[in-house]
Amino acid sequence: DIPMTQSPSSLSTSVGDRVTITCRAGQSISRFLNWYQQKPGKAPKLLIYAASSLQSGVPSRFSGSGSGTDFTLTISSLQPEDFATYYCQQSYSTPFTFGGGTKVEIK
Amino acid sequence: EVQLVESGGGLVQPGGSLRLSCSASGFTFSSYWMSWVRQAPGKGLEWVANINQDVSEKYYVDSVRGRFTISRDNAQNSLYLQMNSLRAEDTAVYYCARESPFGDNSRYDAFDIWGQGTMVTVSS
Repeated sequence: DIPMTQSPSSLSTSVGDRVTITCRAGQSISRFLNWYQQKPGKAPKLLIYAASSLQSGVPSRFSGSGSGTDFTLTISSLQPEDFATYYCQQSYSTPFTFGGGTKVEIK
Repeated sequence: EVQLVESGGGLVQPGGSLRLSCSASGFTFSSYWMSWVRQAPGKGLEWVANINQDVSEKYYVDSVRGRFTISRDNAQNSLYLQMNSLRAEDTAVYYCARESPFGDNSRYDAFDIWGQGTMVTVSS
């Protein structure tokens, strides 16, 4: 199994701030890395696939980067609707594994 | 509208069984790998199992292998998860999710469509 480690586990920030979340894979996964956003009581929503490709309909303030073992999700200017929990997930091999999540809260 | 709708969750005693269903609409169900993903209360996401288009390949996370069985009926546009020998640690919201291929040569899979989830509670 490939462990996925996200940091930080939570962060308090303000509208308009730039937010960076990191995800580290336990072994190289090339670019087989996806990012999801989840709001309370709702299903996750795909934001980024293949490490850096924006899913259709997702605002351009979201971006992803990285390859191998280290990846980053960046929100360039946080909006009120972005307060949520974010998960990375590797699709390199089964069992697919998720990071522990990063909760983005209002400061 | 592309949609996945789960059903079949509920309260079950430890050691009991439950069968979850996921009904798909708005897309060609038979063309996609499908997965089950679960989320224990207040916890993160855990992938449980997936199945390919013609049912020739199935994969499971170690913690459910031998107890859970994933299946599908393409004629009925439905995905299933038969859960036996249930344990307290199986308590979670269970989501079905569509795996779509993206990127160069469709190499990169991601869960692009999710159901609303169905709650399974294992307790005496």
